[in-house]
Amino acid sequence: GAVVSQHPSRVICKSGTSVKIECRSLDFQATTMFWYRQFPKKSLMLMATSNEGSKATYEQGVEKDKFLINHASLTLSTLTVTSAHPEDSSFYICSARDQVWSNEQFFGPGTRLTVL
Amino acid sequence: DAKTTQPNSMESNEEEPVHLPCNHSTISGTDYIHWYRQLPSQGPEYVIHGLTSNVNNRMASLAIAEDRKSSTLILHRATLRDAAVYYCILRYLPGVYGGSQGNLIFGKGTKLSVKP
Repeated sequence: GAVVSQHPSRVICKSGTSVKIECRSLDFQATTMFWYRQFPKKSLMLMATSNEGSKATYEQGVEKDKFLINHASLTLSTLTVTSAHPEDSSFYICSARDQVWSNEQFFGPGTRLTVL
Repeated sequence: DAKTTQPNSMESNEEEPVHLPCNHSTISGTDYIHWYRQLPSQGPEYVIHGLTSNVNNRMASLAIAEDRKSSTLILHRATLRDAAVYYCILRYLPGVYGGSQGNLIFGKGTKLSVKP
């Protein structure tokens, strides 16, 4: 099946710094990518949807100035958590929809962010 | 998005079949039933999806009630590696109806434990 990678797999940063997470579709082109966050023992929460070359669509309650999403190519999307605070500590998961086999959505392995 | 209801947790013995139920009484005619699973500390993984007819693939089978208000994911022989949270999700797929695909919105899922 199609593979989605994320980098880094885990990151620890100080409060107030910004952190960038990369999401890549390795063997397919993804017109649409998604970003989710997941708190411990909770379900995934959709944060935003991004289409290549256009602005991301954020879900209600998600601050677009805090969570910057860039989808510059058909294989790469980035999520930047700006001025991170301890409450932003979470498991961030990206997902990509295959342009051809669009019934399936492939997920990355996730990035564990810890803000001290 | 139409809602699904799943048991919080289920237990199974290794090598035995597992039937994971999902209720979706408010499903619309254009909603597909998707199943994903998430192993600990990993991103979700696609399992199977269907519309009206029962579906089989190498991972599982999906049995859909005639009125489509419920479905059951069947793992024919559970292994320890099948221990995960299983999510039943309704999602609109355009097909002949056109429009944009629905997003994958995760509920709480069913945590499946497999005993050796």
